[in-house]
Amino acid sequence: GDSVTQKQGQVTLSEDDFLFINCTYSTTTYPTLLWYVQYLGQGPQLLLKVTTANNKGISRGFEATYDKGTTSFHLQKASVQESDSAVYFCALERGSALGRLHFGAGTQLIVIP
Amino acid sequence: EAAVTQSPRNKVAVTGGKVTLSCNQTNNHNNMYWYRQDTGHGLRLIHYSYGAGSTEKGDIPDGYKASRPSQENFSLILELATPSQTSVYFCASGEQGARDTQYFGPGTRLLVL
Repeated sequence: GDSVTQKQGQVTLSEDDFLFINCTYSTTTYPTLLWYVQYLGQGPQLLLKVTTANNKGISRGFEATYDKGTTSFHLQKASVQESDSAVYFCALERGSALGRLHFGAGTQLIVIP
Repeated sequence: EAAVTQSPRNKVAVTGGKVTLSCNQTNNHNNMYWYRQDTGHGLRLIHYSYGAGSTEKGDIPDGYKASRPSQENFSLILELATPSQTSVYFCASGEQGARDTQYFGPGTRLLVL
């Protein structure tokens, strides 16, 4: 069945550090892969998405690239700021008409000023 | 701007009691979803709906019921609450044509004693 794996439970960085959050997936369908971000006390919100057609998504300085060969979908940012502190979820859209998403466990990013 | 509200925001219930969590959206979206969020599990889909009068089981429906009386409202019902249902619950809405973009409410923190 479909699955999404995020092994990094927490990442702690200093401002201006490079961010890399790893996500791998397994699915039998052509997926849409997404990153959602959840700030403290809020619900998750869509950060960016990537399809097999475009291979890369960019939003608010974040970038994610879809690699079909390694079934990975990593999130990167060149220089993090304290305001980027949040929980980041990768997710898989299952291709059904009802938009069922399968979420990873989440990675908490802490950015120290 | 998408608007999904949830009530109550915090709830303490006793084991065996009935709990109803309510969700309202003003986006006129057809699809609505209930998730629970637990550390280490990310967000897991409990029930979803593709319109008024319809409810479907998600990945972890046991112990939960759902009701969609109108386009705007979607409720999650715990008939006999158990301590294992202590969690943070999120409601989300989404357009039928944009399956991967879901708009989340602020969440309800439920504690079952």
